[in-house]
Amino acid sequence: KAGVTQTPRYLIKTRGQQVTLSCSPISGHRSVSWYQQTPGQGLQFLFEYFSETQRNKGNFPGRFSGRQFSNSRSEMNVSTLELGDSALYLCASSIRQGTGNIQYFGAGTRLSVL
Amino acid sequence: KQEVTQIPAALSVPEGENLVLNCSFTDSAIYNLQWFRQDPGKGLTSLLLIQSSQREQTSGRLNASLDKSSGRSTLYIAASQPGDSATYLCAVQETSGSRLTFGEGTQLTVNP
Repeated sequence: KAGVTQTPRYLIKTRGQQVTLSCSPISGHRSVSWYQQTPGQGLQFLFEYFSETQRNKGNFPGRFSGRQFSNSRSEMNVSTLELGDSALYLCASSIRQGTGNIQYFGAGTRLSVL
Repeated sequence: KQEVTQIPAALSVPEGENLVLNCSFTDSAIYNLQWFRQDPGKGLTSLLLIQSSQREQTSGRLNASLDKSSGRSTLYIAASQPGDSATYLCAVQETSGSRLTFGEGTQLTVNP
């Protein structure tokens, strides 16, 4: 079974631009979550989508948005990029296991904002 | 607000040594705890998932324990190998969704 696929792997943008990242979950997984990883803040939760609906949201400005399609693929959009948005963006798909969910992560998209 | 702490931040050991990585969390009302491994510049690889009702999980040379009441988990690595060198992260799930709260990680170096 294929793992979580994130595209593109690397991205270079300039301040003020916008960017869209894509995530294809493991087949059969309906939940997709997004995380931002930076050296200073570590891994921080952005949002989670389940069956095309946002189920949870982290503490990020409205410039960060996402959506999920009927095939569970998800996209994340960042508008008006800032230098501080440079980070590794990780997507995870999950499936129910016991009382919670087990999560599987993609390889990430490394975004550099110049 | 849940806070997850991992100690030590970095660890360097000779090959063959057994070692323990520590993870603590402030709110014991968790659904599960998951340990991950991250190689430089890469994504996260799931190592072990411990349900809130479980005390430990084992996979090969790895053993993870969970003590919810004290807010602690440990990851035990037996007979460490240079290929085990990576950053190890623990994360707790608190809600019925999939939101994880991560620790800062322990950077492990196993020297040949």
